[in-house]
Amino acid sequence: AQSVTQLGSHVSVSEGALVLLRCNYSSSVPPYLFWYVQYPNQGLQLLLKYTTGATLVKGINGFEAEFKKSETSFHLTKPSAHMSDAAEYFCAVSETPNNAGNMLTFGGGTRLMVKP
Amino acid sequence: KAGVTQTPRYLIKTRGQQVTLSCSPISGHRSVSWYQQTPGQGLQFLFEYFSETQRNKGNFPGRFSGRQFSNSRSEMNVSTLELGDSALYLCASSSLAGTTDTQYFGPGTRLTVL
Repeated sequence: AQSVTQLGSHVSVSEGALVLLRCNYSSSVPPYLFWYVQYPNQGLQLLLKYTTGATLVKGINGFEAEFKKSETSFHLTKPSAHMSDAAEYFCAVSETPNNAGNMLTFGGGTRLMVKP
Repeated sequence: KAGVTQTPRYLIKTRGQQVTLSCSPISGHRSVSWYQQTPGQGLQFLFEYFSETQRNKGNFPGRFSGRQFSNSRSEMNVSTLELGDSALYLCASSSLAGTTDTQYFGPGTRLTVL
């Protein structure tokens, strides 16, 4: 079974500062990786995903992530934080149990706080 | 296109009761997955349905069950509720149910068990 680790359950940055949220995965096969964001009292919204091809993936709201196979990492970054970025972020890996279907395994989440 | 809808949004039940949650996927999507989100355990996969067949099941007791209808709508049922079943239940749909497909999530149903 695959697993995902997000370092730092809480991250605090100042508005305008760099956002870096860390994600490491373990997978015995090429991973398919996702970042989702959850605002209070809402479901999950896809930020970006990596399947194959370019290892630097750009997503919505100015976020991007780089797949590094040698480091088994898929860290999420944004050059300049906005107050509206305050939310919880989840990294996930997709797998196909029994060679059929689609199941996401999530990391524990990182709550991002943005200070004015 | 309308997104994934879940009803009801909030539920309060007492221990021992049973509950049914409903999920309507994005039009054209045939795969529906369910996840449980709790502060202690995080997001955990419950099960996945595709074309009315359960294809995968997470590590949950048999009290948790689900089904999918021919129009791809799905329901999940929890019988003999326990306090620990209090959680946000999220439904997600995808078009082809392949490993690279994006799962689109609904707003969730928040279940409180008293």
